[in-house]
Amino acid sequence: DSGVTQTPKHLITATGQRVTLRCSPRSGDLSVYWYQQSLDQGLQFLIQYYNGEERAKGNILERFSAQQFPDLHSELNLSSLELGDSALYFCASSTSGRARNNEQFFGPGTRLTVL
Amino acid sequence: AQKITQTQPGMFVQEKEAVTLDCTYDTSDPSYGLFWYKQPSSGEMIFLIYQGSYDQQNATEGRYSLNFQKARKSANLVISASQLGDSAMYFCAMRLYGNNRLAFGKGNQVVVIP
Repeated sequence: DSGVTQTPKHLITATGQRVTLRCSPRSGDLSVYWYQQSLDQGLQFLIQYYNGEERAKGNILERFSAQQFPDLHSELNLSSLELGDSALYFCASSTSGRARNNEQFFGPGTRLTVL
Repeated sequence: AQKITQTQPGMFVQEKEAVTLDCTYDTSDPSYGLFWYKQPSSGEMIFLIYQGSYDQQNATEGRYSLNFQKARKSANLVISASQLGDSAMYFCAMRLYGNNRLAFGKGNQVVVIP
């Protein structure tokens, strides 16, 4: 158990809908990262938040947005869903993001299926 | 941009044997870290081992060791004495210092057979 929690574990929805994925980082971790794992794209970095502020952005679609709240939990919002958004979405957390060997601890993931 | 390459096809490994998983990377930045993660069929990502670009010695963590050849830009993972529980996908990843995102390879599938 990494200490990172993600809810829900599974999510099935229809095209055009909007969903929210939730992540609670390990106790004390200030950085939260979101990754998408799909069969065709592999594991891709989406976005990082550090202590409530956006720190880095990767291959995140405009239909997707995220935020980190004062209690450090984070939410990833996916809207106007398409079939291709079906994937495993991971949240990871780390302490500060500045240490060289700063390990990212991954949550169990949310498996999103868009029908 | 960072690029991680893992091209081995799926591997079958006899229990108690050692297995080497290949990983090559491409970056012009001299400061970076290399990571290996394990993803079993249940889906979670489990951190295995880390190697810094300035580390003088190859990293080891229990049965895992990293064969780091900086000039060749390779960071192969060696799993010694394979166990049935080692059956999983293994991902190599890189992070540039000062850039917190992990760039992952496509992964290597390992199946350990008794």
